[in-house]
Amino acid sequence: DGGITQSPKYLFRKEGQNVTLSCEQNLNHDAMYWYRQDPGQGLRLIYYSQIVNDFQKGDIAEGYSVSREKKESFPLTVTSAQKNPTAFYLCASSLDRGGTEAFFGQGTRLTVV
Amino acid sequence: AQSVSQHNHHVILSEAASLELGCNYSYGGTVNLFWYVQYPGQHLQLLLKYFSGDPLVKGIKGFEAEFIKSKFSFNLRKPSVQWSDTAEYFCAVNGAGGFKTIFGAGTRLFVKA
Repeated sequence: DGGITQSPKYLFRKEGQNVTLSCEQNLNHDAMYWYRQDPGQGLRLIYYSQIVNDFQKGDIAEGYSVSREKKESFPLTVTSAQKNPTAFYLCASSLDRGGTEAFFGQGTRLTVV
Repeated sequence: AQSVSQHNHHVILSEAASLELGCNYSYGGTVNLFWYVQYPGQHLQLLLKYFSGDPLVKGIKGFEAEFIKSKFSFNLRKPSVQWSDTAEYFCAVNGAGGFKTIFGAGTRLFVKA
């Protein structure tokens, strides 16, 4: 099946630890995105990538980092600098920019204790 | 500033009632508009989209939306809802040729059987 796989589905970490969320797609899409979803705030863009080895900050990039070494993979690291990391994280991809639709993964719920 | 405003955070309807979810956006230039839906336990998925042409667009499951440029609106409608339409609905916008998609806060729809 083609799609986007995020793992794990649930993740618990202690405060002060970095944690990496996985996102893999087999849709051959060029663009990939990370969003954070909080109740009542919709989806906020963290980072996006148009092509391999290139990525751009979104609206709330502070405390996060990404890499795009392969077309299929776009991992997100939540660093200890992120002040409020507990959230639901969604990865998405699209064929290219702009008007094409985004396909979403099932999300990772991160809880920092 | 770029933004998307969804008028209602929670809507409760009985089956067969008509639905209209409001969406207004603030975004300079030519826009692409989307409605996404997230059914309980499922991925966020595209309901419908507008790029250009006929401002009345039809999507899956009997949904439609009308783009009114003068009002910066893209309201979602369905003449008769079903229990299976219970979900969270997100309005989104991006600029033509751009990557940065802005999402609204979402509207949770509950349809009573």
